[in-house]
Amino acid sequence: GENVEQHPSTLSVQEGDSAVIKCTYSDSASNYFPWYKQELGKRPQLIIDIRSNVGEKKDQRIAVTLNKTAKHFSLHITETQPEDSAVYFCAAFNTGNQFYFGTGTSLTVIP
Amino acid sequence: ETGVTQSPTHLIKTRGQQVTLRCSSQSGHNTVSWYQQALGQGPQFIFQYYREEENGRGNFPPRFSGLQFPNYSSELNVNALELDDSALYLCASSSRTEKETQYFGPGTRLLVL
Repeated sequence: GENVEQHPSTLSVQEGDSAVIKCTYSDSASNYFPWYKQELGKRPQLIIDIRSNVGEKKDQRIAVTLNKTAKHFSLHITETQPEDSAVYFCAAFNTGNQFYFGTGTSLTVIP
Repeated sequence: ETGVTQSPTHLIKTRGQQVTLRCSSQSGHNTVSWYQQALGQGPQFIFQYYREEENGRGNFPPRFSGLQFPNYSSELNVNALELDDSALYLCASSSRTEKETQYFGPGTRLLVL
């Protein structure tokens, strides 16, 4: 089955700096890679996603890159703000209709 | 708001009991997936339902079962509860044409004593 690893588990940055979270996956059949943001006590919210036929996608301050050969993908947040503080999860979706999530990164943006 | 709702919000059970959790999918979505999220962990995929049938399953024992109804709402049933079943249970809905793009409900927090 799929195995998704996520690093780092915790990340602290100064407001205005960039934050990068990295994930690796094992199943080459995985073809869709979303990122979710989960604030304390709330539901995971989809913030950006990328499909296996695309190498990079950007949405305002958030970007995701995918390296299919190396089986890794990354979330980049620029100009971080205190409201970006949350737990971020990466996930991989395979053709067996199964989602595999990473273990999460707790991001703290220090004002 | 994404439109996915779950009930109840919180639940306390004792070991050996059975529990039923409910999920209403977002309007226009016909696929429902269930996840278990232990404290400090990422969601773990339990199973997915489409057209009232199980359409994919994670590594969970048979005492975790589900149903989907004609209106696309869904239930998660857990029999013979164990202490380790204590977790946040999330459902997510998606459309069949974009089944990967999932929107989560607020979850049901289950505590097994």
